[in-house]
Amino acid sequence: AQKITQTQPGMFVQEKEAVTLDCTYDTSDQSYGLFWYKQPSSGEMIFLIYQGSYDEQNATEGRYSLNFQKARKSANLVISASQLGDSAMYFCAMTRRSNDYKLSFGAGTTVTVRA
Amino acid sequence: ETGVTQTPRHLVMGMTNKKSLKCEQHLGHNAMYWYKQSAKKPLELMFVYSLEERVENNSVPSRFSPECPNSSHLFLHLHTLQPEDSALYLCASSQDLVAGGGNEQFFGPGTRLTVL
Repeated sequence: AQKITQTQPGMFVQEKEAVTLDCTYDTSDQSYGLFWYKQPSSGEMIFLIYQGSYDEQNATEGRYSLNFQKARKSANLVISASQLGDSAMYFCAMTRRSNDYKLSFGAGTTVTVRA
Repeated sequence: ETGVTQTPRHLVMGMTNKKSLKCEQHLGHNAMYWYKQSAKKPLELMFVYSLEERVENNSVPSRFSPECPNSSHLFLHLHTLQPEDSALYLCASSQDLVAGGGNEQFFGPGTRLTVL
C-alpha cells in the first residue's frame, strides 16, 4: 500500500517569497511517480509537476520545482516568487509506475499568500 | 469548451431523489475517473473507465452508479443517497489508463453535492 503524508495543514507566505511544501511517502515499490496538484477555491485540481522515481534530475516547471530525495522518501514542492494567485490547497500524490492511473493523495496543505 | 467540464456545479438533493452528475472531456483522452472529496479526507478514487469499459470500482455503494456512453462523457447516477455522501465530486481524464509514468490527470471543477 502507498501512503502520502503532508504534515503542514496551513501556511502563510509573503508575496514574492519562496515557500516549501513538505511531502513524504511510503511505498515498497521501486518504480513510482510523484505528482503535485493545486486546488484553488473554485474546486478544480490543476496539475503542477511530475517526478518519476528513476529521474535523476529534480523536476521543474516554471516557478515550481520538486525537491526529490529518494532515500528520505520525500518530494517537497518549492514555489518561488509567490503570487497572490498561488493561494490554494496543494496536494501531493503518487502512483505505481506499472499501474499509474491510481493516484493516492495526501491530505493537502493550504497556502495563503499575503500582499 | 476546453478541458474537462462538469455539470451541475452545485446540487442539493433529498435522500429519496434521483439525480445525475455529468462530465465531459474535450481532450481526446481515453480514460475517465470519478473522485469523491470529503472534508478533511484525502481524495478517494471511485470509478475508472478506459475506452468506455469500467476497470475500477473501489467498493463504492450501489447508490452510486456510473455510466460511460463514449470516451468523452461520463455520468454518475445518484439514488437514495445519505447525508454523509455530501462532498465535492470530481471528474478527471487522462490520455491513457497506463502510460508508464507521467500519466497526468486533468480534472474538472467538480460538483458540490449536498444531501439533506
